[in-house]
Amino acid sequence: GAVVSQHPSWVICKSGTSVKIECRSLDFQATTMFWYRQFPKQSLMLMATSNEGSKATYEQGVEKDKFLINHASLTLSTLTVTSAHPEDSSFYICSATTWDHIAIRNLTETQYFGPGTRLLVL
Amino acid sequence: AQKITQTQPGMFVQEKEAVTLDCTYDTSDQSYGLFWYKQPSSGEMIFLIYQGSYDEQNATEGRYSLNFQKARKSANLVISASQLGDSAMYFCAMREDNQGGKLIFGQGTELSVKP
Repeated sequence: GAVVSQHPSWVICKSGTSVKIECRSLDFQATTMFWYRQFPKQSLMLMATSNEGSKATYEQGVEKDKFLINHASLTLSTLTVTSAHPEDSSFYICSATTWDHIAIRNLTETQYFGPGTRLLVL
Repeated sequence: AQKITQTQPGMFVQEKEAVTLDCTYDTSDQSYGLFWYKQPSSGEMIFLIYQGSYDEQNATEGRYSLNFQKARKSANLVISASQLGDSAMYFCAMREDNQGGKLIFGQGTELSVKP
């Protein structure tokens, strides 16, 4: 299957600092990338949808100014957690897809997930 | 309202036995896809199986099969011949085809396989 990488795999930072997480599709061009957050023992919650060259679409309740998403190329999207606080500590996971902007029925393409980034804010 | 519901927070199964993980979904769309993912303790999301809303036959992938009952809006995952390595969190997810490809996940089921 297609390969998606994330960097860093884990990060510890002080409260008030900003942290940037990279998501790269290594062997395909991803028109769309998704960012999820997962707290321990909970499900993945979609934060935002990132389309190359355009502004990200955030889910309800997700602060745009706190979670800055940039999708500058077809292989790279970044999530910056600005002024991180302990409550932002979580597992952040991205996924990438070659999904067309117009949904096509019966496509079996899945989202290809990165390995995730564990963020701990002290 | 929950779009994807997994009612079993945890399940136990004996090694080599079969197990069914439940998933029900809620959508008014005609075109959608249903997915199952496995998440071991390392955190990676492993794609297991996919079922399209228009597929008439239940999807199968090796030891995984999806029991798709469209009228009941259920998409249960059946794992046959459980192995110790199957112990993990399992998530059911839905993609509504007019929503730009995003996935909505259920709460997950933690499966433990006993030797």
